[in-house]
Amino acid sequence: GEDVEQSLFLSVREGDSSVINCTYTDSSSTYLYWYKQEPGAGLQLLTYIFSNMDMKQDQRLTVLLNKKDKHLSLRIADTQTGDSAIYFCAERNAGNMLTFGGGTRLMVKP
Amino acid sequence: NAGVTQTPKFQVLKTGQSMTLQCAQDMNHEYMSWYRQDPGMGLRLIHYSVGAGITDQGEVPNGYNVSRSTTEDFPLRLLSAAPSQTSVYFCASRPGGFGNTIYFGEGSWLTVV
Repeated sequence: GEDVEQSLFLSVREGDSSVINCTYTDSSSTYLYWYKQEPGAGLQLLTYIFSNMDMKQDQRLTVLLNKKDKHLSLRIADTQTGDSAIYFCAERNAGNMLTFGGGTRLMVKP
Repeated sequence: NAGVTQTPKFQVLKTGQSMTLQCAQDMNHEYMSWYRQDPGMGLRLIHYSVGAGITDQGEVPNGYNVSRSTTEDFPLRLLSAAPSQTSVYFCASRPGGFGNTIYFGEGSWLTVV
């Protein structure tokens, strides 16, 4: 099957930028997503990018997509302690099904 | 709009018991799906449906049944629970076609002892 991979853990200091990376293998991806999961909670859609775009900015969030390398990143500017959570990337293929990465745990230190 | 509603939020089952996780959405979405989340494994697709009366298997369907008799509801049934089914279950829905937004329920925490 198709793979979506993320690093397991990222630690940053409050006020710094965080960059969470994701790689995928499906060349038929149509949309790519970033979700946030706080402890004990469900999944919150943060942002998404269409596969023919290379960048999308939404307030403190910047998504970069390198379609050639199948690499997606999420940058969080001015990271706050409230940003501590697990972040999942997901890709949607031409068959409209989602595949998720294993999640990256972001820890923000005061 | 309530969005995607899952019940129960927490459940403890004994091995061999059966139960149904309920999922309902009030957004008239065509697509609905069930995922399970296990530590370090991300979300894996169990079953999905592209419309009322149509269901199909995902990546990990064994031990689970689904039905879609209405657009709104997509229950997930465990016929004979096993400890390996201890997990967090998420229901999701989205519009048909190439709608961008996928909506998730809050999750159902299931423990099988």
